[in-house]
Amino acid sequence: DSGVTQTPKHLITATGQRVTLRCSPRSGDLSVYWYQQSLDQGLQFLIQYYNGEERAKGNILERFSAQQFPDLHSELNLSSLELGDSALYFCASSVGGTTEAFFGQGTRLTVV
Amino acid sequence: AQSVTQPDIHITVSEGASLELRCNYSYGATPYLFWYVQSPGQGLQLLLKYFSGDTLVQGIKGFEAEFKRSQSSFNLRKPSVHWSDAAEYFCAVGPGGGADGLTFGKGTHLIIQP
Repeated sequence: DSGVTQTPKHLITATGQRVTLRCSPRSGDLSVYWYQQSLDQGLQFLIQYYNGEERAKGNILERFSAQQFPDLHSELNLSSLELGDSALYFCASSVGGTTEAFFGQGTRLTVV
Repeated sequence: AQSVTQPDIHITVSEGASLELRCNYSYGATPYLFWYVQSPGQGLQLLLKYFSGDTLVQGIKGFEAEFKRSQSSFNLRKPSVHWSDAAEYFCAVGPGGGADGLTFGKGTHLIIQP
């Protein structure tokens, strides 16, 4: 158990809908990262937050957004969902930006 | 731009045999290198990391990796594999733990033969 908690574990939704994925980082970790894992793209970095502020952006679509709250949990919002958004979404956390990241179990999103 | 290449998509090894998984990276500065393992339906577990210092790093579950700057490689090794090592292995590079995010390789699927 990495200490990073993601909910829900599975999510099935229809095209055009909006969903929210939640992540609770390990106790004491200030950085939260979101990654997408799909068969064709592999593991891709989406976005990082550090202590409530956006720190870095990767290949995140404009339809996707994230935030980190004062209690350090984070949410990834995915809107106008398309079939191609079906993937495993991982959250990871670290103490800062220069230490190793620990991953949650992921949320499997299926868009039908 | 940084990149990671794992040349072997699948590797089959007999139980008890030695293992080496290859990883080559491209990175403009001093890299931070990682190996993660993903079992079916599970998240990624950190096996080991290289930040600086000794180029041979030890990790969990009996794994080790060697950083070779001249070859831009960070190969993962294990002297004797167990059936429970069957999984997907990912090499990753980045500045620290994730500032600007890690760049992952496509992964190597390890199959263990009895």
